[in-house]
Amino acid sequence: VVMTQTPLSLSVGPGQPASISCKSSQPLLNSAGWTFLYWYVQKPGQSPQLLIYEVSRRFSGVPDRFSGSGSGTDFTLKISRVEAEDVGVYYCMQSTHLPTFGQGTRLEIK
Amino acid sequence: EVQLVESGGVVAQPGGSLRVSCAASGFNFDDRAMHWVRQAPGKGLEWVSLINWNGNRTYYADSVKGRFTISRDNSKNSLYLEMKSLRPEDSALYYCARGRGSEAWSFDYWGQGTLVTVSS
Repeated sequence: VVMTQTPLSLSVGPGQPASISCKSSQPLLNSAGWTFLYWYVQKPGQSPQLLIYEVSRRFSGVPDRFSGSGSGTDFTLKISRVEAEDVGVYYCMQSTHLPTFGQGTRLEIK
Repeated sequence: EVQLVESGGVVAQPGGSLRVSCAASGFNFDDRAMHWVRQAPGKGLEWVSLINWNGNRTYYADSVKGRFTISRDNSKNSLYLEMKSLRPEDSALYYCARGRGSEAWSFDYWGQGTLVTVSS
């Protein structure tokens, strides 16, 4: 399953919203009704961290300015008000099929 | 606190073999599936392999199937990846990652990675 993210880079002013799109080449809804779509962020010099699991559930400790949505083949990560600490590369990943990642979206602060 | 510490990354020759390890702590290791994910220098993330909680089920990316073997020792809270017939394109930072459940195909916590370089 190919995961395609857009844009590949994003420059956003502090306090402004940001949105990243992720499209899968096959539907991610499985026969049991689950959609295994995840968002990770890799901050500079760090390992990836889980932000969102199963499309829209925030992982422990993730600020509520992060939200995930979508269904089928189209998914979105939104940051309501970008902060300096949000700089990094954001990856979507699906595990409905063998896990595959998007190419990553680099977020920088203007 | 969940901790995953990888080790064993070195410079290896094409066609050679190598084993990398991951020491886990801060959680019940034998309750969780474990994964290896790699990242070539300056590139994105690629899932490599999954092993379920008791080691009875293993899965591999097509790019490594038949060359890599994932295993675990629950008595030592340790995860391993045996790599054979290494290719230059296997050069990457290898992360171990904790599964979100005993059979989970997704992961939550990641280690810091161990660097494998395949070069003559």
